[in-house]
Amino acid sequence: GIQVEQSPPDLILQEGANSTLRCNFSDSVNNLQWFHQNPWGQLINLFYIPSGTKQNGRLSATTVATERYSLLYISSSQTTDSGVYFCAVAAGSYQLTFGKGTKLSVIP
Amino acid sequence: DSGVTQTPKHLITATGQRVTLRCSPRSGDLSVYWYQQSLDQGLQFLIQYYNGEERAKGNILERFSAQQFPDLHSELNLSSLELGDSALYFCASSFNSYEQYFGPGTRLTVT
Repeated sequence: GIQVEQSPPDLILQEGANSTLRCNFSDSVNNLQWFHQNPWGQLINLFYIPSGTKQNGRLSATTVATERYSLLYISSSQTTDSGVYFCAVAAGSYQLTFGKGTKLSVIP
Repeated sequence: DSGVTQTPKHLITATGQRVTLRCSPRSGDLSVYWYQQSLDQGLQFLIQYYNGEERAKGNILERFSAQQFPDLHSELNLSSLELGDSALYFCASSFNSYEQYFGPGTRLTVT
């Protein structure tokens, strides 16, 4: 099956800093989503982005499908951005395969 | 709020028991997916239903079963529970079988 690798596994930021999270995948995909899992365990949709670039406030994402990677940018980070960020992909079938996540800690 | 609801939020039960987790998809969504999140396995796909029919199976144990009812809500049944079944169980739904929206999850603890 498709492999999904996320980096870095852990990231500690000072409030106000910017960061880039990376997701590499091993095959062509027809679905790529970024999620934020907050400390209460909820999975919150950030982007549906199988290709191209999208922005939503301080967050933006870019997927280069031909090179099989996606990037999530977080600017001016806030403590509420803390949690785990997951990249998930689907190739052919509809079920999502998740990466192991990037654990982000934003400190005041 | 994703629009996907799951009940109960928490469940504590003993080994050997059987439990039922319930999911109501977003209005208009025909697909329902079940995922399991455990510390050692991460987030894994279990099973998908589309308009009442099973569409895909993932790493779902034989002790687990699911169904989707005519009103499109879904239930995941877990039987002969073991300590290793303790996990967060998510339901997700989608309209076009692409972007999936996740419910808040049911945290199952088997003692």
